[in-house]
Amino acid sequence: KAGVTQTPRYLIKTRGQQVTLSCSPISGHRSVSWYQQTPGQGLQFLFEYFSETQRNKGNFPGRFSGRQFSNSRSEMNVSTLELGDSALYLCASSLEGGRGNTIYFGEGSWLTVV
Amino acid sequence: GENVEQHPSTLSVQEGDSAVIKCTYSDSASNYFPWYKQELGKGPQLIIDIRSNVGEKKDQRIAVTLNKTAKHFSLHITETQPEDSAVYFCAANEGSSNTGKLIFGQGTTLQVKP
Repeated sequence: KAGVTQTPRYLIKTRGQQVTLSCSPISGHRSVSWYQQTPGQGLQFLFEYFSETQRNKGNFPGRFSGRQFSNSRSEMNVSTLELGDSALYLCASSLEGGRGNTIYFGEGSWLTVV
Repeated sequence: GENVEQHPSTLSVQEGDSAVIKCTYSDSASNYFPWYKQELGKGPQLIIDIRSNVGEKKDQRIAVTLNKTAKHFSLHITETQPEDSAVYFCAANEGSSNTGKLIFGQGTTLQVKP
């Protein structure tokens, strides 16, 4: 069974641009979460989607947004990129989301903002 | 909100020795505690998890213990091998929400010397 798939794996953007990252969850999983990983802040929760609805949101500015499609695939978007947005963006999926569900991560998308 | 503290930040052991990583959490409503292993350039890989109705769980050389009263949980790796070298993260789910949001510790870099 394929794992969580994220694209692109690596990308470089310029300050002020926007970026869209894509995530395909494990087959049958309906919940997708996004995390940002940086050396200084560690792993931080961005948002969680289930059945195309955002169920929870972390403490990030409105420049960070996401959505989920009917096939459970998800995208996240960062607008007006800042240097501090350089990070590894991780997508995670679980069967139903919710408390106590096992969560699996993808390999991540490395974003560098110059 | 939930806070997860992880110690030590770095750990160096000789091949064949045991390694122990400890985490404490603040939210008594948390009920799910996964451990992830992250190798360089890769996403976090789930290695073991424990739920609050269980005190200990073992999978081959890896075990996790949970003390709900003291709000701490630990990862034990026995007979360490060089391929165990990686960064290990503990996490706890956010007890106050009915979502899968995980709060992560800061990570432990484990080095296993041959």
